[in-house]
Amino acid sequence: GAVVSQHPSRVICKSGTSVKIECRSLDFQATTMFWYRQFPKQSLMLMATSNEGSKATYEQGVEKDKFLINHASLTLSTLTVTSAHPEDSSFYICSASAAIARHNEQFFGPGTRLTVL
Amino acid sequence: RKEVEQDPGPFNVPEGATVAFNCTYSNSASQSFFWYRQDCRKEPKLLMSVYSSGNEDGRFTAQLNRASQYISLLIRDSKLSDSATYLCVVRDFYGGATNKLIFGTGTLLAVQP
Repeated sequence: GAVVSQHPSRVICKSGTSVKIECRSLDFQATTMFWYRQFPKQSLMLMATSNEGSKATYEQGVEKDKFLINHASLTLSTLTVTSAHPEDSSFYICSASAAIARHNEQFFGPGTRLTVL
Repeated sequence: RKEVEQDPGPFNVPEGATVAFNCTYSNSASQSFFWYRQDCRKEPKLLMSVYSSGNEDGRFTAQLNRASQYISLLIRDSKLSDSATYLCVVRDFYGGATNKLIFGTGTLLAVQP
């Protein structure tokens, strides 16, 4: 149980385009989903926290108009990187948490590697 | 000062060796502590939670010292398959938001045959 999927696993796009990444909890209802970003040789950095049906809470320094998060259902959250630029190239990972999970454990998706040319 | 600090390594050890990783955290109000394992270009996976009394899971032993804000992980009888980056992770408490995870940069372990 507790499987989280992400799609796509890898995307290469031109500068200026927008990219949407989906995060799904496959076998449980996720009350909260988290979006992280990891640059090479760096730690995972939390970008935002989203609860189903409400606006996401963004971490300091993360532009909410650039990284659009939609959490329309208890099993799906999307992150849209708008007008992507090369500096947005990174490994984007989502995680999902259920209120009933032991210790509020977060279950991580396999990540999406974004390369902006 | 980083919220969670780890020695980045790499730690190059022969198979069968015992290796220890250390981690310090800055927020004394931190609630929970974990070790995650991350393989190259993959998502992190929970290795074990860390409890105040110390806990063991097979070849892995984790210790927590709240007074010193220090966490450790000991791996005995290293296997080739243990090669990965080990992430020290702390769950912080921010005015009611108790589920925010803070990740260290990780310690790279390479077990040599």
